[in-house]
Amino acid sequence: QKEVEQNSGPLSVPEGAIASLNCTYSDRGSQSFFWYRQYSGKSPELIMFIYSNGDKEDGRFTAQLNKASQYVSLLIRDSQPSDSATYLCAAGRYKLIFGTGTRLQVFP
Amino acid sequence: DTEVTQTPKHLVMGMTNKKSLKCEQHMGHRAMYWYKQKAKKPPELMFVYSYEKLSINESVPSRFSPECPNSSLLNLHLHALQPEDSALYLCASSQENNQPQHFGDGTRLSIL
Repeated sequence: QKEVEQNSGPLSVPEGAIASLNCTYSDRGSQSFFWYRQYSGKSPELIMFIYSNGDKEDGRFTAQLNKASQYVSLLIRDSQPSDSATYLCAAGRYKLIFGTGTRLQVFP
Repeated sequence: DTEVTQTPKHLVMGMTNKKSLKCEQHMGHRAMYWYKQKAKKPPELMFVYSYEKLSINESVPSRFSPECPNSSLLNLHLHALQPEDSALYLCASSQENNQPQHFGDGTRLSIL
């Protein structure tokens, strides 16, 4: 059974802090890795994608991939209350497996 | 607003009804997907179309029937659904399979 695992949270961080979200995956054949943000009652919104080992930065977001450890992370710098949402990690090759998501709460 | 448009946004139907969900994208994407999402759960893949051909069916019951009339459109035909089929149905598209998927706003389906 191919799985993607995330801590369900909630992860609570103060405004302006760095939020660190983590994800592990079981399928070593996975080639693509994605982070989606989902607000309650809304559809998932693509935040970051990464294909190669290392870091990828886009604005306040950094995705990190370590294929040897089968580990993906998302860092959110200068967290804002509007970042409060559930963050879904997804991994796969020809189809995506989603993790159950980590609920992030950013308090003022 | 998303570039993947799903209609209707809400649908209530009885177990004997036949209805269809529609999805449209004009980004030139060649892969399209149907997902089912229950409350507080992650999206679960149902079907994948690549270049208008069904490439993945995740052992979905036959009461769900997908159709891809052209590269921009994806339908999900519903017939004789069960109450447990009530969920948010999400359509997504990507340039090619294995590339970033962009989701529509979803259709919230309730089966009476």
